[in-house]
Amino acid sequence: SQTIHQWPATLVQPVGSPLSLECTVEGTSNPNLYWYRQAAGRGLQLLFYSVGIGQISSEVPQNLSASRPQDRQFILSSKKLLLSDSGFYLCAWSVGSFNEQFFGPGTRLTVL
Amino acid sequence: RKEVEQDPGPFNVPEGATVAFNCTYSNSASQSFFWYRQDCRKEPKLLMSVYSSGNEDGRFTAQLNRASQYISLLIRDSKLSDSATYLCVVNGGYGGSQGNLIFGKGTKLSVKP
Repeated sequence: SQTIHQWPATLVQPVGSPLSLECTVEGTSNPNLYWYRQAAGRGLQLLFYSVGIGQISSEVPQNLSASRPQDRQFILSSKKLLLSDSGFYLCAWSVGSFNEQFFGPGTRLTVL
Repeated sequence: RKEVEQDPGPFNVPEGATVAFNCTYSNSASQSFFWYRQDCRKEPKLLMSVYSSGNEDGRFTAQLNRASQYISLLIRDSKLSDSATYLCVVNGGYGGSQGNLIFGKGTKLSVKP
């Protein structure tokens, strides 16, 4: 069966510090991978998606970046965090597009 | 323009009640429809896919009306454990991102004893 891992579960970082969140998927090959952010009291916002190694598409302009160095690994990064980067970051995978997505447990980021 | 719109609620219902949520979507070309459930401070989890013919899974029934561009979720015999936020999800990007899913902000359900 497929599983998706995210770490860390919670993170408190000062403004201006770097960020690296990691997501890995097991039990499937060549999944589509996604990074979402959910701000407090708001809906899910798609940040990045990837259909293959090294292929990253960005949905919104921001100071975050994503990379996919391996088939089942997706990394979200920032060189300098902003207060507005606080939120619940969720990684998800799917088999191709148009299909249901399955989420990892998320990382709750607080930028102070 | 709200691509997926839901009543935020909260819907406060007693145990055993039947409750219905509706959702409207703006992209008439959308092909994939889902309901997800999200518990407080947790990740969303797939509840059910929604098919044109409608589908039922135990106490949950989902319906799709393509002509009116709305989706419904009916929960019968509500349980305390049904308390959560229910997210309506539709594919609706444009161009290369048509297959991406767009999530509504959710409808909050609270089932009381």
